[in-house]
Amino acid sequence: DTAVSQTPKYLVTQMGNDKSIKCEQNLGHDTMYWYKQDSKKFLKIMFSYNNKELIINETVPNRFSPKSPDKAHLNLHINSLELGDSAVYFCASGQGGNYGYTFGSGTRLTVV
Amino acid sequence: DAKTTQPNSMESNEEEPVHLPCNHSTISGTDYIHWYRQLPSQGPEYVIHGLTSNVNNRMASLAIAEDRKSSTLILHRATLRDAAVYYCIHIARFQGAQKLVFGQGTRLTINP
Repeated sequence: DTAVSQTPKYLVTQMGNDKSIKCEQNLGHDTMYWYKQDSKKFLKIMFSYNNKELIINETVPNRFSPKSPDKAHLNLHINSLELGDSAVYFCASGQGGNYGYTFGSGTRLTVV
Repeated sequence: DAKTTQPNSMESNEEEPVHLPCNHSTISGTDYIHWYRQLPSQGPEYVIHGLTSNVNNRMASLAIAEDRKSSTLILHRATLRDAAVYYCIHIARFQGAQKLVFGQGTRLTINP
């Protein structure tokens, strides 16, 4: 059973398009995250939701809009895709500092 | 954001112990120390975490300095499958939420 699953695994799209990445966790965690890993392999937090409520919103362009329909799901919609959005996006979930966090296997987004 | 410092890279031989150091001099009294690793083309994977005492699990041991300003991840007997980037993190707090702030990590190479 996959604990944190992301779809799709790969996404190739043209500049200016709108796309979504979906994430689901079956661990019963209250908090979910989106991270971006760029070509230099640096992992940077983008958003965090706790029980469907946005609690962390780092300096991310407004073109990125997360949505959490319930605490087991956190989707990421990206409008007007740009070349610089090309990266691997990781979803994660957790239950606080005294517990390990679980990451999905990533979505590799390529904007051409 | 909470900052950790790790060597960019380390190298070891198969079946030998590996000690991966980390400095986290800005850690506060209740921040947990987490270690994750990222194998090629995979998401970060939880390894171990601790607060004050040394910790052991099936993957590794974590030795935490008495002043908590540094820690060491110990792989007792490295295998080729342990080659990965290892991240030391202390959990940052932001508006009551917790987030993992990744540094550049240590790229561990295991020689056969």
